[in-house]
Amino acid sequence: DAKTTQPPSMDCAEGRAANLPCNHSTISGNEYVYWYRQIHSQGPQYIIHGLKNNETNEMASLIITEDRKSSTLILPHATLRDTAVYYCIVRVVTDSWGKFQFGAGTQVVVTP
Amino acid sequence: DVKVTQSSRYLVKRTGEKVFLECVQDMDHENMFWYRQDPGLGLRLIYFSYDVKMKEKGDIPEGYSVSREKKERFSLILESASTNQTSMYLCASCGSIYEQYFGPGTRLTVT
Repeated sequence: DAKTTQPPSMDCAEGRAANLPCNHSTISGNEYVYWYRQIHSQGPQYIIHGLKNNETNEMASLIITEDRKSSTLILPHATLRDTAVYYCIVRVVTDSWGKFQFGAGTQVVVTP
Repeated sequence: DVKVTQSSRYLVKRTGEKVFLECVQDMDHENMFWYRQDPGLGLRLIYFSYDVKMKEKGDIPEGYSVSREKKERFSLILESASTNQTSMYLCASCGSIYEQYFGPGTRLTVT
């Protein structure tokens, strides 16, 4: 059963911020939120993860609501190379081999 | 740079053939995974391994087996390929609790 809900697709203009929502209303206290993306014909690529605090790295920012039932991945200045399927995943981190359960993701298309 | 390689990008096999998909990682990771990816179904976990000679079934292990004789290598075996195993196969390794590193994928067609 899917633990996350994402919109199937969204468009974004190049140079603008892309805000990708994810709903995970049944998240448990020991589950992290992860974001991956998959560019066409490549394997998925890790972007960012978080537990309850907002996180930022060189690729993106992750905003998690206070109740942890939803989150938003922000690509601050989208480029054409950010066109990809973006996956939001919740995962229990008790063992290093905990499963990553990928859903259908959001197809993001960045347009010039 | 972290690297996960898969033996083939594209493979065409006949129904009933035995198929080996090889995955090698150079990061000394303990944990390795095999997924298949189909349109509309996302990535589904077939098997994973958390140590040499150790394996665990994922969500869809039927029709597949795996082998992990060395830490860096994790093989997926289709004992008797069938057309419903036509798919994209992705290998991943994970050394920490935070992220998986994926290979480029093998697109397998069974005719």
